[in-house]
Amino acid sequence: KQEVTQIPAALSVPEGENLVLNCSFTDSAIYNLQWFRQDPGKGLTSLLLIQSSQREQTSGRLNASLDKSSGRSTLYIAASQPGDSATYLCAVRRRRDDKIIFGKGTRLHILP
Amino acid sequence: KAGVTQTPRYLIKTRGQQVTLSCSPISGHRSVSWYQQTPGQGLQFLFEYFSETQRNKGNFPGRFSGRQFSNSRSEMNVSTLELGDSALYLCASSFDRINYGYTFGSGTRLTVV
Repeated sequence: KQEVTQIPAALSVPEGENLVLNCSFTDSAIYNLQWFRQDPGKGLTSLLLIQSSQREQTSGRLNASLDKSSGRSTLYIAASQPGDSATYLCAVRRRRDDKIIFGKGTRLHILP
Repeated sequence: KAGVTQTPRYLIKTRGQQVTLSCSPISGHRSVSWYQQTPGQGLQFLFEYFSETQRNKGNFPGRFSGRQFSNSRSEMNVSTLELGDSALYLCASSFDRINYGYTFGSGTRLTVV
C-alpha cells in the first residue's frame, strides 16, 4: 500500500530563514512526484513536478529533490517570506495502479 | 489563459438529496481528476477521466459518480447525500496524465445538513 508521509505536520520559522520540508513514500515505483501549496479554503497551487527519472527541479526560491531509492523528496525554500505561509502537500503517482496519493501536508507559518 | 473553473463555489444540501458539481479544465487539457478534501482524511482521490473515459477510481461508494464530455468538461454527482459527504471537492486538469503536472481549481465547498 502506497503511503505518503509528511513530517512535521506543522512548522514555524522566522522570516528570512532557509527551510526544508520532507515527504516520504513507501513504494518507489512512481511516475512522478508533485509539490503543491494550499492557502486556507483555497485550491492547490502547483509548485514543482519531478519525473521519476529526474533528481531535482528548481523554480525561483524553491528547489525540490527526489531520491526514489530511499523513497524521499525534499522541498527547499530559500529566504522564507511571510507570503510563503501555507500548507505544503506532496503527491506521487504510483505505477502499479496509476493512482495519485497525497500526503497530509505540512502547515508552514513564517513569522514576520 | 483561463485556469480550472469549478462551479458552484459553495453549496448547501440536505441529507438524502443529490448534487452535481462541474469542472471546466484548462483549454487543451484532456485529463480531469476529482478529489475530496476533509480535515480528518486529507485529500482523497475520487476518479480520473481522460478523453471521456474513466481511467481510474478511488475507494468511494457507488453514490459518487462522474463523467467527462467531449469538450473535456467534467461533472461529478453524489446521490443520497450523507452528513459525512461535507467536504471541499477539488478538480484538477492535466494535458496528459503522466508527463505533465496537475492544475487545480478553487474547489466546491459542499455542506450537507
